[in-house]
Amino acid sequence: AQSVTQPDIHITVSEGASLELRCNYSYGATPYLFWYVQSPGQGLQLLLKYFSGDTLVQGIKGFEAEFKRSQSSFNLRKPSVHWSDAAEYFCAVGSGNTGKLIFGQGTTLQVKP
Amino acid sequence: NAGVTQTPKFRVLKTGQSMTLLCAQDMNHEYMYWYRQDPGMGLRLIHYSVGEGTTAKGEVPDGYNVSRLKKQNFLLGLESAAPSQTSVYFCASSELNQPQHFGDGTRLSIL
Repeated sequence: AQSVTQPDIHITVSEGASLELRCNYSYGATPYLFWYVQSPGQGLQLLLKYFSGDTLVQGIKGFEAEFKRSQSSFNLRKPSVHWSDAAEYFCAVGSGNTGKLIFGQGTTLQVKP
Repeated sequence: NAGVTQTPKFRVLKTGQSMTLLCAQDMNHEYMYWYRQDPGMGLRLIHYSVGEGTTAKGEVPDGYNVSRLKKQNFLLGLESAAPSQTSVYFCASSELNQPQHFGDGTRLSIL
């Protein structure tokens, strides 16, 4: 069965520090992978997606993610975190013929001044 | 652009009451989805639709019904609300295997 695991429930980083949020997935075929961000009281906004091709994908707000098939991972990175990046981040894997998404449990990012 | 609009934004119900949540999208998307979000559990799929007139069960469908009579609308119904259905509900729409676009959510409390 498909599944997504985000091992870190809560992460705190200092403003200006680098960030890596982990995501591991279980999926039989080539996955469609997504990272979404959710600010308090808001819906989910797409940060980036991986469908095929280059395994390093660039997204909005300076985020990037790298697809590693051998490790079943799709970790999200940002070289320098801003206070406005404080939010909850969700990794998701998409199935082939229905478009359904399986979400991870989410990682809450806190940014220290 | 409106995108995905959910109505209402907040609602408080008593146990046993019924209600309908409305989702409307203006992007002409074929696929629509209803999720519930609970702390520490991410988003879980309740029901989804792959086109007008179609619906299918997701991961947690019990206690909910849906209808997709028009392509742009996807309704989620609670026939007899239970406290376990207290949650934040999100609607999303997309084309197949494209990113889903989410509404801002409906916060539902059942007393």
